[in-house]
Amino acid sequence: GQQLNQSPQSMFIQEGEDVSMNCTSSSIFNTWLWYKQEPGEGPVLLIALYKAGELTSNGRLTAQFGITRKDSFLNISASIPSDVGIYFCAGQLFKAAGNKLTFGGGTRVLVKP
Amino acid sequence: DTAVSQTPKYLVTQMGNDKSIKCEQNLGHDTMYWYKQDSKKFLKIMFSYNNKELIINETVPNRFSPKSPDKAHLNLHINSLELGDSAVYFCASSPRQGLGYTFGSGTRLTVV
Repeated sequence: GQQLNQSPQSMFIQEGEDVSMNCTSSSIFNTWLWYKQEPGEGPVLLIALYKAGELTSNGRLTAQFGITRKDSFLNISASIPSDVGIYFCAGQLFKAAGNKLTFGGGTRVLVKP
Repeated sequence: DTAVSQTPKYLVTQMGNDKSIKCEQNLGHDTMYWYKQDSKKFLKIMFSYNNKELIINETVPNRFSPKSPDKAHLNLHINSLELGDSAVYFCASSPRQGLGYTFGSGTRLTVV
């Protein structure tokens, strides 16, 4: 089946830093999505990308759908403490039964001590 | 109003017991899902129902039986619970042709 490799697995942020994470797939997707999960909660959709090459922003977050349709990245600019959480990429195929989402393994964003 | 609500939020039970988790969505979505999140936070789909019809069953043991009485509800019943069933179970919903899911806040199941 399809697999998504997300990197880095974890990162430490310092307030004000820009950080980046990415996701690569062994096969193409029609849509890429980025979610954030905070402790005790379910993942919340941050950004959805619908076509290859698309660059979309949501506040301090920017994500891009790779030209090959096999990758995506998420940037967080000027990070703040509340950016801490687990960020998941997810790929979706329109033709897949039930709009199945395949998730990456997550990037844990932590605050530098 | 919570868009996708699951109950209970926490469930601690002994091996061998049978338990159920309930999920309801008030978004008018056609499709509902159950995902399992393991201790490493990996999210894996278990089931998908579209308008009460099962459309995805991802090699889940027969001890897990989803039931959808109507398109707003998808419950998960688990028989003969095992230690390895301990995880967080997320319900989610999406429009039939829509993009992305709305997740519930999860049910943390601990089997002792």
